[in-house]
Amino acid sequence: DAKTTQPPSMDCAEGRAANLPCNHSTISGNEYVYWYRQIHSQGPQYIIHGLKNNETNEMASLIITEDRKSSTLILPHATLRDTAVYYCIVRVDMRFGAGTRLTVKP
Amino acid sequence: EADIYQTPRYLVIGTGKKITLECSQTMGHDKMYWYQQDPGMELHLIHYSYGVNSTEKGDLSSESTVSRIRTEHFPLTLESARPSHTSQYLCASSDNVKGDTGELFFGEGSRLTVL
Repeated sequence: DAKTTQPPSMDCAEGRAANLPCNHSTISGNEYVYWYRQIHSQGPQYIIHGLKNNETNEMASLIITEDRKSSTLILPHATLRDTAVYYCIVRVDMRFGAGTRLTVKP
Repeated sequence: EADIYQTPRYLVIGTGKKITLECSQTMGHDKMYWYQQDPGMELHLIHYSYGVNSTEKGDLSSESTVSRIRTEHFPLTLESARPSHTSQYLCASSDNVKGDTGELFFGEGSRLTVL
């Protein structure tokens, strides 16, 4: 099963785009890329997922490289409420890694 | 809104007691998961199930057991609680459509304190 690598923390200015990278160089052809976020001790919240093509929904956009070895989650206009830990998952058994702690600053 | 329920939400118990954390979902999902998380720390997968009579161990499962006798029910049991088991336990479920694991739906969690 593929593992992921994410930066431990990132800052973003309020109103600007937040671009969160994820490396998953060992991903296999049938593994999807999922993104979740967790605010405080609440249960993780689903954001978006994709297989090969870029995806967009009301929360975010997901850009997956052509070789599928990395992806980027884009929050187009970050708000203070987007401060959270963001997790990239590519494993079928849905193991979470350490994630990226995103802090949106005024 | 997710239809996945965990009980109890909060539990304080003495060392050595047997406890069962309940998790039920009404969405007919095949896959169910248990995660353990200490405050400010990573989510650790401790057990998962791909369907009735299927259970798999995760990373921190050696001190707990699960069962999956019915699709909707996935209880977690600690035979002898210890202070090191003090943590939040999160249950989740997902559907499996054409190989896509699908979105995880989480319960509200069970916060366990062992004295």
